[in-house]
Amino acid sequence: QKEVEQNSGPLSVPEGAIASLNCTYSDRVSQSFFWYRQYSGKSPELIMSIYSNGDKEDGRFTAQLNKASQYVSLLIRDSQPSDSATYLCAVKRGNEKLTFGTGTRLTIIP
Amino acid sequence: DAGVIQSPRHEVTEMGQEVTLRCKPISGHNSLFWYRQTMMRGLELLIYFNNNVPIDDSGMPEDRFSAKMPNASFSTLKIQPSEPRDSAVYFCASSFQGKPPPRQYFGPGTRLTVT
Repeated sequence: QKEVEQNSGPLSVPEGAIASLNCTYSDRVSQSFFWYRQYSGKSPELIMSIYSNGDKEDGRFTAQLNKASQYVSLLIRDSQPSDSATYLCAVKRGNEKLTFGTGTRLTIIP
Repeated sequence: DAGVIQSPRHEVTEMGQEVTLRCKPISGHNSLFWYRQTMMRGLELLIYFNNNVPIDDSGMPEDRFSAKMPNASFSTLKIQPSEPRDSAVYFCASSFQGKPPPRQYFGPGTRLTVT
């Protein structure tokens, strides 16, 4: 079992709809959770971080964490073509080491 | 702020040659990370340093790979000898440990092709 698992996609969502990205992790002692966005040919950039159970909202983005079920999700409301990218889920335990999933490729269809 | 700087941006070399990738972290950051990204394996951590000291090198694939951080503003990742399976994009990232959130800033990457 991989430490961090994501559906590789591609996930296609119509413009203006809600895009839902999911991630599961295997290590129960994981403490911090991150979503990175990576455009084709570019480097990953952090868009959301979440540390406690529940929802965290930032603009059109909402991160959801459920430690009991060991999953974290990212919702993108009012999806725009500029949201088309690969989204990487990352998990951190006590030290600084991040473990990344392989990413979900999202395409927003105009 | 110039961000994390990596060089070269692209490297094409022949199997058996030595390859050196370079990274300059963001000024003031005290942690530095080297990652490798491939389609098959995704983004993998190779090694990370804190205050110039290697903390975790468990991701370094084999003895052909070595990394150094002689000072707070410079790090190298060396592959000797290189092999075709080393072809990937290598990212360097830096962060400031102790200042939450522990955000890592990635450089633009070096695309390595070994023929």
